[in-house]
Amino acid sequence: EQQVQQSPASLVLQEGENAELQCSFSIFTNQVQWFYQRPGGRLVSLLYNPSGTKQSGRLTSTTVIKERRSSLHISSSQITDSGTYLCAINSAGNKLTFGIGTRVLVRP
Amino acid sequence: EAGVTQSPRYAVLQEGQAVSFWCDPISGHDTLYWYQQPRDQGPQLLVYFRDEAVIDNSQLPSDRFSAVRPKGTNSTLKIQSAKQGDTATYLCASSFGDSSAETLYFGSGTRLTVL
Repeated sequence: EQQVQQSPASLVLQEGENAELQCSFSIFTNQVQWFYQRPGGRLVSLLYNPSGTKQSGRLTSTTVIKERRSSLHISSSQITDSGTYLCAINSAGNKLTFGIGTRVLVRP
Repeated sequence: EAGVTQSPRYAVLQEGQAVSFWCDPISGHDTLYWYQQPRDQGPQLLVYFRDEAVIDNSQLPSDRFSAVRPKGTNSTLKIQSAKQGDTATYLCASSFGDSSAETLYFGSGTRLTVL
């Protein structure tokens, strides 16, 4: 069973459009993180958001722990935002469990 | 500041061959993780260390996989007899502290193909 579910699986945007990525998890956690991965590139931590709303530049994450969900909003998308966005939760101890990710393609 | 360094970048093997992956974490980071990321999937934790001690290796296939971090700095992940199902990217990450609230820093990974 996939403990972390992400939707949509993929997304195509025109440059400048906004996007909302969803993450839901089947187990209790108190820590949610969002990561970014360019094809062939390394994973980079974007936001750590255990609850409420956190913003970093054009990225805004909203987490509602009791509802077991988190979202990542990308505003005014740019071509360089293309890549895979992964949601991860802390599941038991010091282990991060990742979702499969949402592939984002931003076209000019 | 140097990031997490992994080598080799790529490896191609026949089934049954052995391979080792090497990781140099960020200086001062006491916690080191090895993840396996199959194509089009999220990373899955194999094992993690705090200093030289294994904290959790419950997801490490112990019959063929082994991992060490003898001096609490660099680490080696070894596959004794590779199978096609081991084809994946192997990621190393490090952090300071034992809470996942600490930012994880990932290496570029080793992409393994088992023919």
